[in-house]
Amino acid sequence: DVKVTQSSRYLVKRTGEKVFLECVQDMDHENMFWYRQDPGLGLRLIYFSYDVKMKEKGDIPEGYSVSREKKERFSLILESASTNQTSMYLCASSTLAGGLYEQYFGPGTRLTVT
Amino acid sequence: TQLLEQSPQFLSIQEGENLTVYCNSSSVFSSLQWYRQEPGEGPVLLVTVVTGGEVKKLKRLTFQFGDARKDSSLHITAAQPGDTGLYLCAGLDNFNKFYFGSGTKLNVKP
Repeated sequence: DVKVTQSSRYLVKRTGEKVFLECVQDMDHENMFWYRQDPGLGLRLIYFSYDVKMKEKGDIPEGYSVSREKKERFSLILESASTNQTSMYLCASSTLAGGLYEQYFGPGTRLTVT
Repeated sequence: TQLLEQSPQFLSIQEGENLTVYCNSSSVFSSLQWYRQEPGEGPVLLVTVVTGGEVKKLKRLTFQFGDARKDSSLHITAAQPGDTGLYLCAGLDNFNKFYFGSGTKLNVKP
């Protein structure tokens, strides 16, 4: 079974703090993604990566950066947290298997910025 | 702008009833996935449909991909309280990017 783990389930940070969200997958997937999920807005893609040290902006990259130094690990960084970044953050990984790209998600990190 | 529109947004039904959730788009997708998400957890992949007109069954759940690969439906027969959750559809475009619908929140009352 694919396993995607995220470093924290719940996190409370203050405005202006630098925040690191870590994601690790154990299935040797090439692709990794960071989404945020807000009520009524669905899942919105922040950043994704198709390979080590490679990153691409998603739909809402402002205020975020990412790092992928190893294939299994994809980190999301909030350089200076703001209250509008309070959200559920979901990490996912995917690979091409049997002709299908399928995404597998971690359990999520609920971040509150006060 | 949501590429994928799901309907209904909310659904509250009694145990044993049938229901259908719709996922519609004006865009063509190379494949479409359905997920179920429970509160405080990440989405769990249920099924992937690839071919236009394809129908897949997962116990009491039936998934269909539209002939033109623009829309999909999820039908649940004899819903159980354990089916309660947020159902999400996600389409994959030709650039391997996923687009998610905003979800259908299903509550099945015992």
